[in-house]
Amino acid sequence: ELKVEQNPLFLSMQEGKNYTIYCNYSTTSDRLYWYRQDPGKSLESLFVLLSNGAVKQEGRLMASLDTKARLSTLHITAAVHDLSATYFCAVDFTGNQFYFGTGTSLTVIP
Amino acid sequence: EAQVTQNPRYLITVTGKKLTVTCSQNMNHEYMSWYRQDPGLGLRQIYYSMNVEVTDKGDVPEGYKVSRKEKRNFPLILESPSPNQTSLYFCASSFRGRTTNEKLFFGSGTQLSVL
Repeated sequence: ELKVEQNPLFLSMQEGKNYTIYCNYSTTSDRLYWYRQDPGKSLESLFVLLSNGAVKQEGRLMASLDTKARLSTLHITAAVHDLSATYFCAVDFTGNQFYFGTGTSLTVIP
Repeated sequence: EAQVTQNPRYLITVTGKKLTVTCSQNMNHEYMSWYRQDPGLGLRQIYYSMNVEVTDKGDVPEGYKVSRKEKRNFPLILESPSPNQTSLYFCASSFRGRTTNEKLFFGSGTQLSVL
C-alpha cells in the first residue's frame, strides 16, 4: 500500500525554539516535496527533493531526504510566528501520482 | 502573472445535479491534476493528466470525470454529486522532468457543498 505518514499532526512551539517534522513513506521513491498551507489558503511549494541525501534550506526551514530510510525531515530553526501554518509532505511513487501526508499544523507561540 | 485559476471558489448544490469546476493554467505545464482535501486525510489525488488527451485515475477517482482537450484547461466534472463529495478541491499543474521546476502550482481552491 502506498502511504505517507507525517508526525506530529499538531505542533505548538515557542518562538525561538527548534523542532523537526517527520515524513515517512511506505515504498521506494526519490521524489519528495514539502508544501505550506496558511489557514483558508492554497498550498505553496517549499522544497523539491529529488535524490538520496538531498538537503535544501530556505530561511529558518531545512528539508532533507533519506531514501534508504524512506524518511524526510523538515527542520525549523528558531521559530517565528510567521511560520505558523500547516505543512504537508508529498511523495511521487510512480512518476505522476502524488500522495500527501495528513499534514502538520504548526502554531508558534510568542 | 503565472497562475492556476479555479472557478468557482464556493459552490453549493444538491444531490444529482451535474456540475463542473474549471481549472486553467498559463504556464504551459504538461502536467495537471485534481485533489480533494478533507480534515484528517490530507490531500488525495482524484485524476491527473500528463498532456493533452492523456488522463489517468488517481487515488480516489470514483464519481468524478475529467477531460484535457487543451493544454491549459483541465475541468473536473461531477455527473451526479453526492453528499460524500462535499470537500475542498484543488487543481494543480507543473512541469515534469526531475528538476526543481517540477513543483506543483495550486489553484486557490473550490469549496463544494452537496446537500
